[in-house]
Amino acid sequence: DGGITQSPKYLFRKEGQNVTLSCEQNLNHDAMYWYRQDPGQGLRLIYYSQIVNDFQKGDIAEGYSVSREKKESFPLTVTSAQKNPTAFYLCASRTGQGSAGNTIYFGEGSWLTVV
Amino acid sequence: RKEVEQDPGPFNVPEGATVAFNCTYSNSASQSFFWYRQDCRKEPKLLMSVYSSGNEDGRFTAQLNRASQYISLLIRDSKLSDSATYLCVVTIYNQGGKLIFGQGTELSVKP
Repeated sequence: DGGITQSPKYLFRKEGQNVTLSCEQNLNHDAMYWYRQDPGQGLRLIYYSQIVNDFQKGDIAEGYSVSREKKESFPLTVTSAQKNPTAFYLCASRTGQGSAGNTIYFGEGSWLTVV
Repeated sequence: RKEVEQDPGPFNVPEGATVAFNCTYSNSASQSFFWYRQDCRKEPKLLMSVYSSGNEDGRFTAQLNRASQYISLLIRDSKLSDSATYLCVVTIYNQGGKLIFGQGTELSVKP
């Protein structure tokens, strides 16, 4: 079945550590996105990518980094510079900007907790 | 001002009620609009896209007003299972297909 897979689902990080969240899609989608959601809050855009080897900062990119070396993969690294990383992280993808109205697909999310 | 803003919640309604949510957007270059539903601790799932002419799917009706830059979602005959957070989503094509979410409006339908 086609879809988006995020891993790990639950992750605990010590302060000062970098961690990488995986996001893989087999939908042949051009565009991929990373969002952060805090309890009781909406989704805030961290980074997005419209094409391989290109990505743009979202609204809260500080303390995060991404890469897009392959169309299928868009990993997110939460660096030690991110002061409050405990949150629910969602990866999403869609066909591309040329198709108005096309559906956004989400992974099941990753829960990151700093201990 | 936030790029996408929704009605603050929560909305607490009895079963069978009709409830309406509004969402305003600030960027006139916004191209596509969606309503997503999110259950607690789960990923958002598409409820419906919003078309310029308005569209209906069973008990759900979505409207778009480009002149006033808002979209709405109407739920008729509310069910207990409609309890969730409803997210408004806007795509902005002159910013490389950026997707912007509203903060969500929580709906709680009571017996």
